[in-house]
Amino acid sequence: GAVVSQHPSRVICKSGTSVKIECRSLDFQATTMFWYRQFPKQSLMLMATSNEGSKATYEQGVEKDKFLINHASLTLSTLTVTSAHPEDSSFYICSAREEGQLSSPLHFGNGTRLTVT
Amino acid sequence: GENVEQHPSTLSVQEGDSAVIKCTYSDSASNYFPWYKQELGKGPQLIIDIRSNVGEKKDQRIAVTLNKTAKHFSLHITETQPEDSAVYFCAGGTSYGKLTFGQGTILTVHP
Repeated sequence: GAVVSQHPSRVICKSGTSVKIECRSLDFQATTMFWYRQFPKQSLMLMATSNEGSKATYEQGVEKDKFLINHASLTLSTLTVTSAHPEDSSFYICSAREEGQLSSPLHFGNGTRLTVT
Repeated sequence: GENVEQHPSTLSVQEGDSAVIKCTYSDSASNYFPWYKQELGKGPQLIIDIRSNVGEKKDQRIAVTLNKTAKHFSLHITETQPEDSAVYFCAGGTSYGKLTFGQGTILTVHP
């Protein structure tokens, strides 16, 4: 089945530094990938839609300059949390939909636990 | 935009019993309704989905029903097992667009 790989699974960084999270579709191509954020015991909140070869589309309230998204190829999207602060600590999850399928479901990575100290 | 409401927030059942989780959606343009199971520290895993041209879909112990008129859909798990314990999320959206997730249901199956 379709697999989405996310790396790293956990990262701890100091306040003010930047962190990059990678999301790869391992056995399929994905023109579109989605980035979600999840707080403890809460639902998944869509942050942005990542489009291969073009700018990401951000949801209302999500800072574009803080959460930089790059989708340089059909199998890789990256999320960079810039100048991270403790309030950015969260569980970040990416997802991708298999291209070329009439009814392709959304597959999720295993998430990245970000802790900003 | 779409708004998805999910109930109950917690559900506790005995092993072997059935579990039912219900969701409602607001956007009549939504035509795709997946259900995800999330275990602690992991990403959501798709367990079943249904499209608006179908009223019911079943996969072994799991079934989903959809009522387009009333804008609600439900997940049914029969013969529950302890390994079914997890957080379950419903979602609504379009086949190629973004999904809006419900608030989640913590299912606990007691041996």
